[in-house]
Amino acid sequence: GNSVTQMEGPVTLSEEAFLTINCTYTATGYPSLFWYVQYPGEGLQLLLKATKADDKGSNKGFEATYRKETTSFHLEKGSVQVSDSAVYFCALRSTGNQFYFGTGTSLTVIP
Amino acid sequence: NAGVTQTPKFQVLKTGQSMTLQCAQDMNHEYMSWYRQDPGMGLRLIHYSVGAGITDQGEVPNGYNVSRSTTEDFPLRLLSAAPSQTSVYFCASSRDRANTEAFFGQGTRLTVV
Repeated sequence: GNSVTQMEGPVTLSEEAFLTINCTYTATGYPSLFWYVQYPGEGLQLLLKATKADDKGSNKGFEATYRKETTSFHLEKGSVQVSDSAVYFCALRSTGNQFYFGTGTSLTVIP
Repeated sequence: NAGVTQTPKFQVLKTGQSMTLQCAQDMNHEYMSWYRQDPGMGLRLIHYSVGAGITDQGEVPNGYNVSRSTTEDFPLRLLSAAPSQTSVYFCASSRDRANTEAFFGQGTRLTVV
């Protein structure tokens, strides 16, 4: 079956620290992979995506690489800001077109 | 461009009441879905639709009905509200292609007392 497992939070970092949020997946076929961000009181917004193995998605200083050999799609950012405080969701879209989401990782960045 | 619009944003219901959560999208997307978000459980799929006249059940469909009479609208009906349905509900839409992302509404926070 299809599933996404992501690092449990909450994660608290100081401003300018390096961020990694781990995400691994199980899927049949060749899924597309996504990171979404949710700010308080809002819906999920697409942060970045990768649609095939070895693709790197990037946006707003965040990056993630689609690693088929390790079935992973870890989110990284070199220097976090207070404004990055949010909940981050890893997701996959299977060849059956359904989405599968991880449980979310809450990030708090302190000045 | 409105994207995905959900109404209402907040709702309080008494146990046993029924109501409809509205969802509309203006992107001509084939695929629409409803999720509920509960603490520590991520997003769970309630129902989805791949086009007008076609709906199917997701992971947690009990207690909910949907219909898709037009491409734009995908309402979610709670038949007889229960406290276990207290949650935040999100509607999402996307093109019906595996490499495309979902667009989400702002959510409806529902409390059943």
